[in-house]
Amino acid sequence: GAGVSQSPSNKVTEKGKDVELRCDPISGHTALYWYRQSLGQGLEFLIYFQGNSAPDKSGLPSDRFSAERTGGSVSTLTIQRTQQEDSAVYLCASSPAGGQNYGYTFGSGTRLTVV
Amino acid sequence: AQSVTQLDSQVPVFEEAPVELRCNYSSSVSVYLFWYVQYPNQGLQLLLKYLSGSTLVESINGFEAEFNKSQTSFHLRKPSVHISDTAEYFCAVSDSGAGSYQLTFGKGTKLSVIP
Repeated sequence: GAGVSQSPSNKVTEKGKDVELRCDPISGHTALYWYRQSLGQGLEFLIYFQGNSAPDKSGLPSDRFSAERTGGSVSTLTIQRTQQEDSAVYLCASSPAGGQNYGYTFGSGTRLTVV
Repeated sequence: AQSVTQLDSQVPVFEEAPVELRCNYSSSVSVYLFWYVQYPNQGLQLLLKYLSGSTLVESINGFEAEFNKSQTSFHLRKPSVHISDTAEYFCAVSDSGAGSYQLTFGKGTKLSVIP
């Protein structure tokens, strides 16, 4: 597609349930990033995928969070046993390569609300 | 570790007036600097970036930012704002080393243009 696509755009879930958030990057972009945007807190890095290399998971806040990227394209971020503090907008971005000089293209995000 | 400080969380300004959104960063290494804009209910879009060379960089819609190494600043300016500039603006920094990929974002500045 022309841009980074994320689904769903909004998700309301009950505390303790698992959720899956999907990101479809721009075709041909080898790098994919997940960030979390909490109210008044800016953007928090979660995880980075580059081609077939092992992902950088250093930003995942707990072991309830995991992500995978299948076939070097679509990525899924999974949050298990959701907590209210997980409520945020989850943003996905992609870039042509793993270097910063290319800049990121962001999706519109998934707004997660845990009730 | 790097950090970004956006000194103003909200900036109201009248239409056609000038505006400056402030950004300071902290880093022990050379950096790349970015400004992203987020319109309501949309993802972040790259507005402009500084990688090297001229310290003054411009966007296509009239914004400019100047890299000041001695003051570790990358303030964003526009001489005359429009209603359509109402959005949230994020400053970001990255290590300029080879293979660097993680962006560290500020908490954002909400620009409100008043008719």
